[in-house]
Amino acid sequence: ETGVTQSPTHLIKTRGQQVTLRCSSQSGHNTVSWYQQALGQGPQFIFQYYREEENGRGNFPPRFSGLQFPNYSSELNVNALELDDSALYLCASSTTQGLTRYNEQFFGPGTRLTVL
Amino acid sequence: AQSVTQPDIHITVSEGASLELRCNYSYGATPYLFWYVQSPGQGLQLLLKYFSGDTLVQGIKGFEAEFKRSQSSFNLRKPSVHWSDAAEYFCAVAPMTTDSWGKFQFGAGTQVVVTP
Repeated sequence: ETGVTQSPTHLIKTRGQQVTLRCSSQSGHNTVSWYQQALGQGPQFIFQYYREEENGRGNFPPRFSGLQFPNYSSELNVNALELDDSALYLCASSTTQGLTRYNEQFFGPGTRLTVL
Repeated sequence: AQSVTQPDIHITVSEGASLELRCNYSYGATPYLFWYVQSPGQGLQLLLKYFSGDTLVQGIKGFEAEFKRSQSSFNLRKPSVHWSDAAEYFCAVAPMTTDSWGKFQFGAGTQVVVTP
């Protein structure tokens, strides 16, 4: 059973550019959440995808968008990059089986994005 | 406003000594509670979680945590620290509501340094 994988590992972009980060969820997981972790801070919830639709969003602007594919993998897209977008972006996958029982999230190693 | 507070940014402990990391939360109702550990270059690994029932929960790597409703706290402890426990530790909460499923709120983290 493979765990959560993310690509690329590191990425350097310049201000104003666009970036796409990718996440492959753990086998059998149908829910993906994305988090932004700035240096020295805890992860901040960006949004979650379930059944290819956004299922909740944190306090992030619309230039942060995402996709989930039929195989449950996911992308995070960030447009018009700003310097403050420099962070570690974490993806977490879980299984949603009804709405009355929590299912553990498993985190990937993250993508380190640097915006110059 | 909902919040998760880890009062200690940095803790230094000698190998073999005990460790306690503090976590306080502010929520309308008792949320799900978690402790994660993050080593350099790694994703987040779940140490333990509390949903309900016994307020003392056991986790992996010899860690335990105690939930105290009256103090809105969920402190993490380990009786004897090993050098491999040096890492950053995050407390996280997730509301017990279906529309907030899997959308964690993390504390800012506590960096643990272990000295010989």
